[in-house]
Parts: sequence; C-alpha cells; structure tokens
Amino acid sequence: GAVVSQHPSRVICKSGTSVKIECRSLDFQATTMFWYRQFPKQSLMLMATSNEGSKATYEQGVEKDKFLINHASLTLSTLTVTSAHPEDSSFYICSAFTGTEAFFGQGTRLTVV
Amino acid sequence: AQRVTQPEKLLSVFKGAPVELKCNYSYSGSPELFWYVQYSRQRLQLLLRHISRESIKGFTADLNKGETSFHLKKPFAQEEDSAMYYCALAGGLGTPLVFGKGTRLSVIA
Repeated sequence: GAVVSQHPSRVICKSGTSVKIECRSLDFQATTMFWYRQFPKQSLMLMATSNEGSKATYEQGVEKDKFLINHASLTLSTLTVTSAHPEDSSFYICSAFTGTEAFFGQGTRLTVV
Repeated sequence: AQRVTQPEKLLSVFKGAPVELKCNYSYSGSPELFWYVQYSRQRLQLLLRHISRESIKGFTADLNKGETSFHLKKPFAQEEDSAMYYCALAGGLGTPLVFGKGTRLSVIA
C-alpha cells in the first residue's frame, strides 16, 4: 500500500515556541491531506483538511491562526503549532488520500513543557 | 450531523471464540463505512470497507442501513487480532473520515 510519513514522531518543546510537523506521501501524490488530533484514550478528531495550492479548511473550534497548515506541494503538508501551550500536548496524525483510500502517518507525539 | 458510535471501549474474548465489534452511525445520506485497525505501536491501517464486501483476516462487516449499523465480526478470534479497532464514516470519496471512539479487542489465550 501507499506510504505516508510523518516527522518528527516525537517532539518536546517549551511553552511559547512553535513546532512544525511534516506529513509526506512517499509514493503517490495527494491533493488532499487531513490532520487529526487524538487525546489519550479518545478517538481521532478531525482538525482540518489540507488542500494543495489553496487554504486549508478548518473544523469548527480549531483555531486557524494557532494551527497553521501549508500544503505547498502534492507530497507535503505541514502543520505548525504556534505559540504552543501545555494544552496543545497531544498526538497529531495526518492522512493522505490516494484517490481510493486514505493512508495514515505514524503520528507525532507533541509535548509542551 | 455525522456521528459514529462504538459502544464498547474494551472487549475481551477467549481465543477461538466469536467476536463482534459494534458500530452504529448517523448520517443523512449514503455514507461509506470503514473499519480501521491499529496494532500495538503501529499506525492506523484500513481493515475493510463496506463497498468491497470482502473478508480480511477472517473479519467481515455488513452494512445494515435499516439499523444504521456496520458491526465487525469474526467467527474465531486469534491472539494476533488483539488491537484497537475504529469504525469510520465518510460522506463521499475523498472526504474526511469521522471516527468512532474505538474498541480495544483483547484476545485471551
């Protein structure tokens, strides 16, 4: 199957700093990628839909100025958590759609201290 | 509104016993339904989708529109089936998936 790679898999940052998470489709082009957030022992919550070459579509309640999404190419979408706070600590997962199926990255564990 | 409900957080069964993971959904149109599985320390991966009507690793799931259910079944559980299972819904091709809260299946030897 297709491969979606996320980097980094784990990151610790200080409160107030920004963190960038990359999501790459390694062997296919993805015009659409999705970003999810997963709290401990809870389900994946859709944060935004990332569209190549255009602005991301954010779900209700997700601050677009805090969670900046850029999808500059057909194989890369980035999520930047700006001015991170401890409550932003979570597991972030990206997904890329091949046209017939969605594939998931391995996730990024963000800890804000 | 789209919603997926998995009523069981944890399901424990003995090896060789039948398994049924429940999933109910709420959607106004004709959704696509999926089951995803996450084995320990691995990423989420597709197990099966209702439009394929296939059996993967012995698992099957039938879409029941009348009951708005998409339960996952396997006649004989194996230890390697122990994992987290998520039921998901999509409103159409390429639209984002809406996930249930997941059910952790534990198969006891």
